[in-house]
Amino acid sequence: GAVVSQHPSWVICKSGTSVKIECRSLDFQATTMFWYRQFPKQSLMLMATSNEGSKATYEQGVEKDKFLINHASLTLSTLTVTSAHPEDSSFYICSARGFASGFNNEQFFGPGTRLTVL
Amino acid sequence: GNSVTQMEGPVTLSEEAFLTINCTYTATGYPSLFWYVQYPGEGLQLLLKATKADDKGSNKGFEATYRKETTSFHLEKGSVQVSDSAVYFCALSDWGGSEKLVFGKGTKLTVNP
Repeated sequence: GAVVSQHPSWVICKSGTSVKIECRSLDFQATTMFWYRQFPKQSLMLMATSNEGSKATYEQGVEKDKFLINHASLTLSTLTVTSAHPEDSSFYICSARGFASGFNNEQFFGPGTRLTVL
Repeated sequence: GNSVTQMEGPVTLSEEAFLTINCTYTATGYPSLFWYVQYPGEGLQLLLKATKADDKGSNKGFEATYRKETTSFHLEKGSVQVSDSAVYFCALSDWGGSEKLVFGKGTKLTVNP
């Protein structure tokens, strides 16, 4: 199956700093990538959808200036949490969808990144 | 808006026991329904799906039937194994291609030998 990686797997940062999370599709080209966040004992909530080469589409209530998403290539999308605060501490998960035949538009998920803001 | 409600865990079973994880949904129109599984340290993987009423999705011994009349998509397996220990997520999408998935909270399953 298709593989999606995330880096780092966990990060601790000080309040006010920015943190960048990478999401890579390792063996397929991802035309669309999705970013989710998950609070403890809560469901995954879609934050934004990004298509390669165009601006991300953010879900209602998600601050686009806070969570910067870049999808510059068909294998890489980045999420930057700017001026992070403790309430941004969460588990961030990306997924990727490719246009290769046989995928049936399925989303393939990364293992997630645990962000802790002190 | 669309929503998914699944039974809260954790669920602990002995090997070869019967498994049911309940999932109900609220949606406008005719959503597609999914079960994802997340093994420790790994990303979510699609376990099975159903795209229309009365469809049965199945994979690795797991089954779920799309019940429109009860708005349910319960996950079942007749005989669980230790290797089935994972977190299971029920999800729906307005579009068959899994665009904009809406997830339940997840149910952690532990199977003991």
